[in-house]
Amino acid sequence: GAVVSQHPSWVICKSGTSVKIECRSLDFQATTMFWYRQFPKQSLMLMATSNEGSKATYEQGVEKDKFLINHASLTLSTLTVTSAHPEDSSFYICSARTGTGKETQYFGPGTRLLVL
Amino acid sequence: GESVGLHLPTLSVQEGDNSIINCAYSNSASDYFIWYKQESGKGPQFIIDIRSNMDKRQGQRVTVLLNKTVKHLSLQIAATQPGDSAVYFCAETSYGNNRLAFGKGNQVVVIP
Repeated sequence: GAVVSQHPSWVICKSGTSVKIECRSLDFQATTMFWYRQFPKQSLMLMATSNEGSKATYEQGVEKDKFLINHASLTLSTLTVTSAHPEDSSFYICSARTGTGKETQYFGPGTRLLVL
Repeated sequence: GESVGLHLPTLSVQEGDNSIINCAYSNSASDYFIWYKQESGKGPQFIIDIRSNMDKRQGQRVTVLLNKTVKHLSLQIAATQPGDSAVYFCAETSYGNNRLAFGKGNQVVVIP
């Protein structure tokens, strides 16, 4: 149980284009999903917290107009990197909690983004 | 931005030996702790968790120890196998808190 998927697993795009990453909870409903960014040999950096049906809460320093998050259903959250640039190249990982008051986060497999 | 040349603390262990990975957490108010395993190019995988009302919890081949006095968490892996090679992160949070605070990670390399 508690399986989270991400799509795509990797994407290469040209500078200036937008990229959408999907995060799905496959066998549970996730009222809260999280988006992280990870650079090589570093820990996970929380970008934003996404609650179903409401606006995402962004961490300090994360541009909400750059990283658009939508959590339209209890099983799907999307992260759109708008007008991507090479410095946006990174490993993006989502996670989900199984319910309110449940602190454990289950992670997706990650999406490798390379912006040329 | 991205940092170049970072090296994670690395534990090299012979296959079959026991591994101990340590983590110092920062927030004395944290009451829930999780260990995650992250293999190269993959997302973190839940291993084991522990609440602050316990000082030890065992799973399959893994044991987590919690010392609240010195804010220290450890993960013990028994009979380490090549498949245990990965980066291990500890994470802390508290009841009702949305966020997990992750440690820096420890690389475990299993020598066959």
